[in-house]
Amino acid sequence: QSVLTQPPSVSGAPGQRVTISCTGISSSFGPGSDVHWYQHLPGTAPKLLIYGNTNRPSGVPDRFSGSKSGTSASLAITGLQAEDEADYYCHFYDSRLSGYVFGTGTRVTVL
Amino acid sequence: QVQLVESGGGVVQPGRSLRLSCAASGFTFRSYGMHWVRQAPGKGLEWVAVIWYDGKNKDYADSVKGRFTISRDNSNNTLSLQMNSLIAEDTAVYYCARASLWNGYYYSDYWGQGTLVTVSS
Repeated sequence: QSVLTQPPSVSGAPGQRVTISCTGISSSFGPGSDVHWYQHLPGTAPKLLIYGNTNRPSGVPDRFSGSKSGTSASLAITGLQAEDEADYYCHFYDSRLSGYVFGTGTRVTVL
Repeated sequence: QVQLVESGGGVVQPGRSLRLSCAASGFTFRSYGMHWVRQAPGKGLEWVAVIWYDGKNKDYADSVKGRFTISRDNSNNTLSLQMNSLIAEDTAVYYCARASLWNGYYYSDYWGQGTLVTVSS
């Protein structure tokens, strides 16, 4: 069971804004606990969306943005598009476990 | 462009071994760490193991520690995962991913397409 909790699903109409939360426990956060986000369509290679809490790799649309405060992080998708339907995962280094962990994952549905 | 191609998956009986490989190209392999990540059927992503760029440091998820060994051959741009004492819970698609450093810890910036491992009698 992951130490990073995400909502199982979020949905929105095209053009709307949705946010995905990623919540951990304080003892898991320490040096290196910056959060990264991935988009995954089943059967394909996961794709990096955000690294270091807020940074977008080149080629990722600015509709995707990340933030972090304390033991929680969020991924926001603005101007939701049909192609954004996928699973989204947060990821970080857990100081308590001394290992990397993924969040429980969130399925985004475009209505 | 960065390419990661996994191979070696298949059907294996419980208790047996399997070795996965990941062929890397399009970047300076010896300069990057590498992760193995898996996804069991109907489940989320699970981190498995990481190896530093020079192979000197490795770390494993508790679920595979003592059974799996990650290694790399920087002369042949190849990452490997030796899986021993396999159990049904190891059934998953296994992905290799390039690992880049951020504040001293790794995230995955490129991923392969994955290879399926099925542990079944």
